[in-house]
Amino acid sequence: EVQLVESGGGLVQPGRSLKLSCAASGFTFSNYYMAWVRQAPTKGLEWVASITNSGGSTYYRDSVKGRFTISRDNAKSTLYLQMDSLRSEDTATYYCTRDMGARGVMDAWGQGASVTVSS
Amino acid sequence: DIQMTQSPASLSASLGETVTIECRASEDIYNGLAWYQQKPGKSPQLLIYNANSLHTGVPSRFSGSGSGTQYSLKINSLQSEDVASYFCQQYYDYPYTFGAGTKLELK
Repeated sequence: EVQLVESGGGLVQPGRSLKLSCAASGFTFSNYYMAWVRQAPTKGLEWVASITNSGGSTYYRDSVKGRFTISRDNAKSTLYLQMDSLRSEDTATYYCTRDMGARGVMDAWGQGASVTVSS
Repeated sequence: DIQMTQSPASLSASLGETVTIECRASEDIYNGLAWYQQKPGKSPQLLIYNANSLHTGVPSRFSGSGSGTQYSLKINSLQSEDVASYFCQQYYDYPYTFGAGTKLELK
C-alpha cells in the first residue's frame, strides 16, 4: 500500500524557517517525481513545488521561489520542503504527493502537515 | 499562468441524480486535465486524468470529457459517499493550477 506521511509542521513566526519531511513507503520512491501541494484554511489547492525522480531538477511556483527548497533522499525514501522567510500567506496544510508518470498528475497524497505562520 | 475557472462553486443534488461540473482553462491545455475529490477532513484523491481516463479503483459512475479549453466531470447516479469537494487541475504547463473547487451536497 502506498503511504506518504508528512511531519514537521507547526506554528512559526513570520520570517522564520520550517522544514517538512515526507516518509514514503509501498512503492519504489526513486522511480517517481514528487510534489508539494498546499491548501490554505477553507481555500482551494495550490501547487508549490515539484522534483524529478533523481532530484536533478526542481520546479517552483513564483511566490515561493527563492524562499522554499524541495529536495529528496532516495536512500531514505524521504521528500523534504525547506521553507525560509515564511509569510502569513504561507499558512496552509501542506500535502506531499506522488506524481504519476512524471507529468503532474498527483495519484497519491499524504494526510497533510499544518503550517501556521503568525506572531 | 493558466487560469482554471470551475463552475458551479456549489451544487445540491438528490441521490440517484446525474451531476456535471465544468472547468474552463484560459488557454488550450491539450487534455492535460485531472479531477480530484476531497471529502470533508480528508486529503484529495485522484479521480480522472488525461481529461477522460478513470484512475484505478474509481467507480465507473465518474467520467470525464472535454478538449481544448473546456472540460467536465460527470457523476451518474449520485451516491451519499460522493458528498465532497471536487477540483480540476491542469498539468499541461508549470505552474500547475487548480480550479477553485465545487462543493457537492445532498438535497
